[in-house]
Amino acid sequence: EVQLVESGGGVVRPGGSLRLSCAASGFTFDDYGMSWVRQAPGKGLEWVSGINWNGGSTGYVDSVKGRFTISRDNAKTSLYLQMNSLRAEDTALYHCARDRSDDYGDYRWFDPWGQGTLVTVSS
Amino acid sequence: SFELTQPPSVSVSPGQAARITCSADAFPKQYAYWYQQKPGQAPVLVIYKDSERPSGIPERFSGSSSGTTVTLTISGVQAEDEADYYCQSADSSATSVLFGGGTKLTVL
Repeated sequence: EVQLVESGGGVVRPGGSLRLSCAASGFTFDDYGMSWVRQAPGKGLEWVSGINWNGGSTGYVDSVKGRFTISRDNAKTSLYLQMNSLRAEDTALYHCARDRSDDYGDYRWFDPWGQGTLVTVSS
Repeated sequence: SFELTQPPSVSVSPGQAARITCSADAFPKQYAYWYQQKPGQAPVLVIYKDSERPSGIPERFSGSSSGTTVTLTISGVQAEDEADYYCQSADSSATSVLFGGGTKLTVL
């Protein structure tokens, strides 16, 4: 069974940092890209960042560029999101998701998703 | 960039068909995808590549595309289908991803 389990969320002050982790199991981790998708309380889904199978290609939504860094450790079958200079608007449930895409940019979707880890940025 | 627009809510009676639309000002020749999210749960993929249904998803879920609008249709809606539904697409190179604002489906 494919499983994605996030951890590392918590309460942090504005300007602070957090590192999220996502432990993957049940599939060949380095065959797939991975992404982080967040959901602010009571709001919709927002793609945050993605990384290809070997970490050689990454992407970010404009609002987190320069503040967040996505990475992965294929030996540990884990995905990470380093979040710096956090803002109140970063408060959300952060899901990791397996990224289904090809090398030609013809398609991209997410399946499955983890349950998420909650990040709260508040003074 | 582009935007994906969904109606905030759709209501149907059990057994009727529910249609949820997702409109783009300009779909960058990318497929659309649909996710179901029930309260307190992670999103679940219900349609990929406009109209393909993943294994395990009931046949009553279907997708279609026409011009810059894609539609999720749930035929014979059941109470268990009450959830939020999100469409998703990507830019022309699939390096950036966008979600619609979501539609709350209420089964009356």
